[in-house]
Amino acid sequence: NAGVMQNPRHLVRRRGQEARLRCSPMKGHSHVYWYRQLPEEGLKFMVYLQKENIIDESGMPKERFSAEFPKEGPSILRIQQVVRGDSAAYFCASSPPGVTAHQPQHFGDGTRLSIL
Amino acid sequence: DAKTTQPNSMESNEEEPVHLPCNHSTISGTDYIHWYRQLPSQGPEYVIHGLTSNVNNRMASLAIAEDRKSSTLILHRATLRDAAVYYCILRDVNGGATNKLIFGTGTLLAVQP
Repeated sequence: NAGVMQNPRHLVRRRGQEARLRCSPMKGHSHVYWYRQLPEEGLKFMVYLQKENIIDESGMPKERFSAEFPKEGPSILRIQQVVRGDSAAYFCASSPPGVTAHQPQHFGDGTRLSIL
Repeated sequence: DAKTTQPNSMESNEEEPVHLPCNHSTISGTDYIHWYRQLPSQGPEYVIHGLTSNVNNRMASLAIAEDRKSSTLILHRATLRDAAVYYCILRDVNGGATNKLIFGTGTLLAVQP
């Protein structure tokens, strides 16, 4: 049973370009979470999605960042007009439906985004 | 979610037990205690969780104080592969629609051969 798959593992963009990060959850999981880890900092929650719905986006920057989890296909975290401060590791996690506080989240190995 | 406090770093020798403490003095009755770890260059990995009773699984044991204001993650025989940052996280069963994890700074565990 494949785990959470993120691609690409490494992404390099120039300032002003767009970055698209993809996340395929574990089979049977309909809940997806995105977290960001800035250099030398801890993991910060960004957004929580269920199929076609954003449940909690309290950690998303107000501008340039968006996320979706369509009915078919992977979840996408999109960053428009990237800046140097967007350089970070972005982690996706998934969990099955019927989630409660004692349901673990399963993480991918992240996308390392570097902005030149 | 209630706040947790962990030591910044700990050291252990290979094949010896490791006790990783976590204080959560403001824990509520509906908070579960979760532990995750993050190995270098990898995503976080679920380790164990519990509510009131001590818990065991193939990775570790979780000892929860009677008043639930602290807990200890126990690795029975540390290996080099256990070198990681360990996070203690509280999750409220009545947390509403969101299910986010709130990570603190964790404990960096170094394992010496």
